[in-house]
Amino acid sequence: QSALTQPPSASGSPGQSVTISCSGTSSDVGASNFVSWYQQHPGKAPKLMIYEVIKRPSGVPDRFSGSKSGNTASLTVSGLQAEDEADYYCYSYAGSNTVLFGGGTKLTVL
Amino acid sequence: QVLLVQSGAEVKKPGASVKISCEASGYTFTNYAMHWVRQAPGQGLEWMGWINIGDDNTKYSQKFQGRVTITKDTSASTAYMELSSLRSEDTAVYFCARGTTLAAAAPIHWGQGTLVTVSS
Repeated sequence: QSALTQPPSASGSPGQSVTISCSGTSSDVGASNFVSWYQQHPGKAPKLMIYEVIKRPSGVPDRFSGSKSGNTASLTVSGLQAEDEADYYCYSYAGSNTVLFGGGTKLTVL
Repeated sequence: QVLLVQSGAEVKKPGASVKISCEASGYTFTNYAMHWVRQAPGQGLEWMGWINIGDDNTKYSQKFQGRVTITKDTSASTAYMELSSLRSEDTAVYFCARGTTLAAAAPIHWGQGTLVTVSS
C-alpha cells in the first residue's frame, strides 16, 4: 500500500483560498467516505480538521472544508490566516481495517 | 477530558526492540481503539497499526507486519506498541491516537509523541 499522493507544497496570501488535493485509488479514497484531513504545526501532534469527507469537528473554523470526487479528495482553506500555515495530511480508509496517510502538503501563507 | 500520555524518549541500538506505552484517561478505555502512527524526522505521517481494545482485534500495516506488536493492559488503561529489529530508518516520533471500534474513523485525540532514536 503506497501513501496517498499530495502536492508537497501550496501557498496563498492572507484572505485568499487554497485547495490541497489528495489522490488515491479505487481501493481507498475512491471506495471510502472515511476520508479525513489533519493539520500539523511543527513539533505538535496532528489535529483533525475534516472527517468523513466533509464534516468538521467541533471548534474547527468553517473556513476549512472538504470534498471528494472519484479517487481524489480535496481540502479547501478559505480566508487564509497566518495561523493556517502548517503541514496538512489526508487520511483514508484502505479496506481490511487498514488506513493510509498522504505524503503531506506544506501550506505557506505569503 | 481525554488524555493520552506516552512514555519517554528512547535510544536503541540497531537490532534491538523498543516498547512504547500510551496511558489513557478521561474515557472508558475498553470502548475504543488505539492507532499507532510514526513520523520520521522531516517526513510525513505513517500508519503502523490499530488495536480494538474491547475485543483485542489488531491490524498492522503490511510494511511493519512481523516487526510490530500492539497490545493493551485494560487494568492499567494502557496500550503498547513494540517494534523489533530496529534499524536507523526507524528513528522517528511515535504517536498513539484514540480511534473508535471502526478502524476507518480518523482519530481525534493524540498522545504527545515519543522520540525513538536508533543509533549504534
